[in-house]
Amino acid sequence: DTEVTQTPKHLVMGMTNKKSLKCEQHMGHRAMYWYKQKAKKPPELMFVYSYEKLSINESVPSRFSPECPNSSLLNLHLHALQPEDSALYLCASSQDESGANVLTFGAGSRLTVL
Amino acid sequence: KNQVEQSPQSLIILEGKNCTLQCNYTVSPFSNLRWYKQDTGRGPVSLTIMTFSENTKSNGRYTATLDADTKQSSLHITASQLSDSASYICVVSRNTGFQKLVFGTGTRLLVSP
Repeated sequence: DTEVTQTPKHLVMGMTNKKSLKCEQHMGHRAMYWYKQKAKKPPELMFVYSYEKLSINESVPSRFSPECPNSSLLNLHLHALQPEDSALYLCASSQDESGANVLTFGAGSRLTVL
Repeated sequence: KNQVEQSPQSLIILEGKNCTLQCNYTVSPFSNLRWYKQDTGRGPVSLTIMTFSENTKSNGRYTATLDADTKQSSLHITASQLSDSASYICVVSRNTGFQKLVFGTGTRLLVSP
């Protein structure tokens, strides 16, 4: 299995809702990432997990809450989001956190906040 | 400032033609440079990765070059196909001990029949 699987593919939520994005990989990768991508812009790093521990938080608002239950799963819990949070959320993984490794990206979850 | 600039911003070519995309970077310390292909609404897919000592790397009809002295890279696409229509993103990894990537803004390529 050489894929990163993200669910759901599309999500529409109101500003008072609580929802979660899920990411799964079975490549034995020990680093996992959340990126946010707005239209026609490059991806922006949000969080990095290394060996199931939060390694990097790029000053992301607390309405985004990451969770890494095990080495294969990465969740992003969403609460009280704003319309400007609408974007494509990309999960990625790599062998480890070393800069020499290639990131494998998932297909993304398209989030719309009403 | 760590930056990756790509040109052109967008490009339209006829099916079967070749094209070359450019990437200039000012990222330091340099670890490696990657080219990704991203279809609209999908995640990026890795095409090539090159380290400091590599000048050229091919992946099928895609050939990437790297000049570490001038800090320039190019991606050459040969005999373009309709399925090559996508955004091509140049990404440079900083050698800071962890995966700190600097993304370019991409070149949007449209291959026309």
